[in-house]
Amino acid sequence: NAGVTQTPKFRVLKTGQSMTLLCAQDMNHEYMYWYRQDPGMGLRLIHYSVGEGTTAKGEVPDGYNVSRLKKQNFLLGLESAAPSQTSVYFCASSYGYGTGATYEQYFGPGTRLTVT
Amino acid sequence: LAKTTQPISMDSYEGQEVNITCSHNNIATNDYITWYQQFPSQGPRFIIQGYKTKVTNEVASLFIPADRKSSTLSLPRVSLSDTAVYYCLVGNTGGFKTIFGAGTRLFVKA
Repeated sequence: NAGVTQTPKFRVLKTGQSMTLLCAQDMNHEYMYWYRQDPGMGLRLIHYSVGEGTTAKGEVPDGYNVSRLKKQNFLLGLESAAPSQTSVYFCASSYGYGTGATYEQYFGPGTRLTVT
Repeated sequence: LAKTTQPISMDSYEGQEVNITCSHNNIATNDYITWYQQFPSQGPRFIIQGYKTKVTNEVASLFIPADRKSSTLSLPRVSLSDTAVYYCLVGNTGGFKTIFGAGTRLFVKA
């Protein structure tokens, strides 16, 4: 049981280049999330998905696109990278919605992206 | 969304009990309080969650007063490996409705 995995672990892009970050989970979770974390700051939600084939915007969605074609995978795309997108990107997953408790999120190890 | 306020940083020594308080004056009736821990270069990890009174697990205790406008994460007898950032979150509808603030950076000294 690998939990949440992210590919790649590190990447350096030049301004204007594109790339896709892959997140995979083997816990059969309904919900998946993409966050970014800038130095010394908390995590900010970029996009999330409440199930296969669905996606929605979080706090900071501009410049990113996502897809959830399979339940276990959540892809984050940068079509034209900018230096402001230099950050550490975390993927997370959790069980589906229920009344009351906020379900525990399981996080991946992160992808460190530098845009020059 | 309920906003939370935590101290930016705290220092402690090994073996001491550490209490980190989080203020959430606008907490809603259905909101739960959740704490995460993040080590450098790792993703956050769930520590504990509660709705009211006291919750205890093998890692920490969570104290929530009757008015639920604040909560206190208690770490018993901390060690150097407890040096991390601790986040307090308030929400009730899944991760997309919860916000990770800047957290509290805990330094444990020998």
